[in-house]
Amino acid sequence: AQSVTQLDSHVSVSEGTPVLLRCNYSSSYSPSLFWYVQHPNKGLQLLLKYTSAATLVKGINGFEAEFKKSETSFHLTKPSAHMSDAAEYFCVVSGRSGNTPLVFGKGTRLSVIA
Amino acid sequence: EAGVAQSPRYKIIEKRQSVAFWCNPISGHATLYWYQQILGQGPKLLIQFQNNGVVDDSQLPKDRFSAERLKGVDSTLKIQPAKLEDSAVYLCASSLGPGQGGLHEQYFGPGTRLTVT
Repeated sequence: AQSVTQLDSHVSVSEGTPVLLRCNYSSSYSPSLFWYVQHPNKGLQLLLKYTSAATLVKGINGFEAEFKKSETSFHLTKPSAHMSDAAEYFCVVSGRSGNTPLVFGKGTRLSVIA
Repeated sequence: EAGVAQSPRYKIIEKRQSVAFWCNPISGHATLYWYQQILGQGPKLLIQFQNNGVVDDSQLPKDRFSAERLKGVDSTLKIQPAKLEDSAVYLCASSLGPGQGGLHEQYFGPGTRLTVT
């Protein structure tokens, strides 16, 4: 079975400061990992994905995440927060190939303070 | 390229009533998923179709939920009778079919927000 644990339900940062959203995963085999973002009343958007290539993954809008197998972590970071980054972020795990369902974490709400 | 379409966007019903949601996936996507997202939680898979066949419906409450994808394109999800705890956003997603290699990215629709009173 696969699962993800998002360690913070809510993170608040000031505009221009770094963002860190933490995620630990559990999987009985090598997983694929994703971060999705959900803005209010909008659909889920893929930020980035890890599928066994480079362990440091760069995504859209300046976000990146590092796959650390020894720590079973896939934390999301951004050097400088922007007001438009305020949203709900989901860490997601799935299988490595084909059409495997996504298993979502409970989400982390990011607030950005001006 | 058009995205995943869902309708209606919002629905309010009373408990014990029935409701249906519709999804039109991205053209050419053979795999279709329905997820349920309860407020404050991440989406949870209800059912996965490959063309018009069910791949996984292990988390679908079959006593009240049903879904079909008769022609392998559009899909409908039905709840009958609805309970208060069914209040959630119902998300449809689609991805490429088998045989095309690699991990297939899922594309999500905007969702249908259901409120059961």
